[in-house]
Amino acid sequence: EAQVTQNPRYLITVTGKKLTVTCSQNMNHEYMSWYRQDPGLGLRQIYYSMNVEVTDKGDVPEGYKVSRKEKRNFPLILESPSPNQTSLYFCASAHDGTVAYEQYFGPGTRLTVT
Amino acid sequence: KQEVTQIPAALSVPEGENLVLNCSFTDSAIYNLQWFRQDPGKGLTSLLLIQSSQREQTSGRLNASLDKSSGRSTLYIAASQPGDSATYLCAVKPRNTGFQKLVFGTGTRLLVSP
Repeated sequence: EAQVTQNPRYLITVTGKKLTVTCSQNMNHEYMSWYRQDPGLGLRQIYYSMNVEVTDKGDVPEGYKVSRKEKRNFPLILESPSPNQTSLYFCASAHDGTVAYEQYFGPGTRLTVT
Repeated sequence: KQEVTQIPAALSVPEGENLVLNCSFTDSAIYNLQWFRQDPGKGLTSLLLIQSSQREQTSGRLNASLDKSSGRSTLYIAASQPGDSATYLCAVKPRNTGFQKLVFGTGTRLLVSP
């Protein structure tokens, strides 16, 4: 089954404790992206990757890091999480980043930072 | 800066009704518009993708239209069912900020009662 998977699905952590949210897709997609969803603000892009070793900032990259060492994986790293990073996070992928292709989303990771 | 608005924020209808969800965007320079469905704990599911050159797309009981010049899209759901209850999001892929991201509305929460 073609899908985007994220782990963990739920995470409660404390301020300053480094964490990684994994994202993996099995569709051989070149393009991958991370979004966060907050009430009243909709989904906002954090980082995206056009291909292996090619990443760039989205609209709200502060406090996050990403890497793309393999085509299928695109982990989101929070080096020192803060309470304002409490949010619902989505990973997405597409065949590539060009106009014609729709994006597929993972199930989401709900992160709480206390 | 592209902004996407969805009105109403919430909608409650009895089963069997036909209904229309609205999406408006401020900048008509878009590549495409995508409608998603979001279910709690299940992430986003792509429903319909309309390219900027298209007027509408249909899938089963769903029909989405696009009027790029007026900055509007509608999602028509025929003969609504309780299983249609979810949050519906629209997103545009803007031209002027590149093709690497989607700009989302904040969604319409739909409840279809038996």
